[in-house]
Amino acid sequence: AQSVTQPDIHITVSEGASLELRCNYSYGATPYLFWYVQSPGQGLQLLLKYFSGDTLVQGIKGFEAEFKRSQSSFNLRKPSVHWSDAAEYFCAVGRTGTASKLTFGTGTRLQVTL
Amino acid sequence: GAGVSQSPRYKVAKRGQDVALRCDPISGHVSLFWYQQALGQGPEFLTYFQNEAQLDKSGLPSDRFFAERPEGSVSTLKIQRTQQEDSAVYLCASSFRWQETQYFGPGTRLLVL
Repeated sequence: AQSVTQPDIHITVSEGASLELRCNYSYGATPYLFWYVQSPGQGLQLLLKYFSGDTLVQGIKGFEAEFKRSQSSFNLRKPSVHWSDAAEYFCAVGRTGTASKLTFGTGTRLQVTL
Repeated sequence: GAGVSQSPRYKVAKRGQDVALRCDPISGHVSLFWYQQALGQGPEFLTYFQNEAQLDKSGLPSDRFFAERPEGSVSTLKIQRTQQEDSAVYLCASSFRWQETQYFGPGTRLLVL
């Protein structure tokens, strides 16, 4: 069965600092990978996705993620964090070849200090 | 265009009551998913529709949970005889086709007292 691990429950960074959120997945074939962001009381907004091709994926709001098959990782990065980036971030994996129900990690809460 | 909408946004139920949660997907989206998000957790898959056909209900936690999408657009998730452990945010997502990006609604926060 597929699974996702987000080892960091809570991260605090200063505004303007760089950010990296970790995501490790377990899946037997090439996965579909996603990062979603959830602000309080809101639904999930897609930041970026990886289906195939270039392993460095660009998303919205200046985020990027890199798929590393050898490490089973899909870490999210941003070079300079803004206070408005404070939210909960979820990594998710979908199965290829069938209806892609998503399996989510437990999330990383990002706090941004001014 | 309009995104995925869900109603009600908040629902308080007494234990034992039945509840119905509605999802309006993005127009033209064939696939519709329901997820349950407990406090402090990531969403967990409940069920999946392709048009009006429910193709996967492996995530429904008990036979008290029932979902339908009779005309292939609006979907309703029904929970019978609610229990306190049913308290969660219920998220609906839709996609144009299966295996494409899922777009999520704002969720319905259910509190069972």
